[in-house]
Amino acid sequence: AQSVTQPDIHITVSEGASLELRCNYSYGATPYLFWYVQSPGQGLQLLLKYFSGDTLVQGIKGFEAEFKRSQSSFNLRKPSVHWSDAAEYFCAVGARGKLIFGQGTELSVKP
Amino acid sequence: NAGVTQTPKFQVLKTGQSMTLQCAQDMNHNSMYWYRQDPGMGLRLIYYSASEGTTDKGEVPNGYNVSRLNKREFSLRLESAAPSQTSVYFCASSAQGRSGELFFGEGSRLTVL
Repeated sequence: AQSVTQPDIHITVSEGASLELRCNYSYGATPYLFWYVQSPGQGLQLLLKYFSGDTLVQGIKGFEAEFKRSQSSFNLRKPSVHWSDAAEYFCAVGARGKLIFGQGTELSVKP
Repeated sequence: NAGVTQTPKFQVLKTGQSMTLQCAQDMNHNSMYWYRQDPGMGLRLIYYSASEGTTDKGEVPNGYNVSRLNKREFSLRLESAAPSQTSVYFCASSAQGRSGELFFGEGSRLTVL
């Protein structure tokens, strides 16, 4: 069955600290992988995507993610978190817009 | 630059009432989607339209109908609302192609009493 798991429901980090959000997926074919961010009361905005090629992809707002096929993972990272990064983050897998989303990880940032 | 526009943003219904959520996009995208978002469950696909004139069921289609009115507009209808349909509904669009990057509206929060 196709699925996406984000093991961490809620993470709190201090401003300036590094961040890693975990994502594991199960997908039959070659996956297209995405990370989206949702600010309160807003829609989802694409942070980055992986289709093929270099397994380390760069996104907007200083985020990056690494695709590891052997671990079926696509973890999101940021070297230094800003208070404005507080939001909910969704990992998704799929193609042609028919995406399967993880449960989301809510990120809180401490001053 | 409007992108994807949804109306209404908030709606309260009583069980058994009907309503239609409207969605329009101005990016000339071929494909449009309706997702619902529930706490702890991420987003789940209700229906999608790969191109004008076609619609298909997603993961959770029961209790919903859709209409692709033209290339810009894709509506979601609840014929007889149930409390289980209390959710936040997101419309999205994408250009044609396998990559399927989605552009989302701001959501419509529906409460069914």
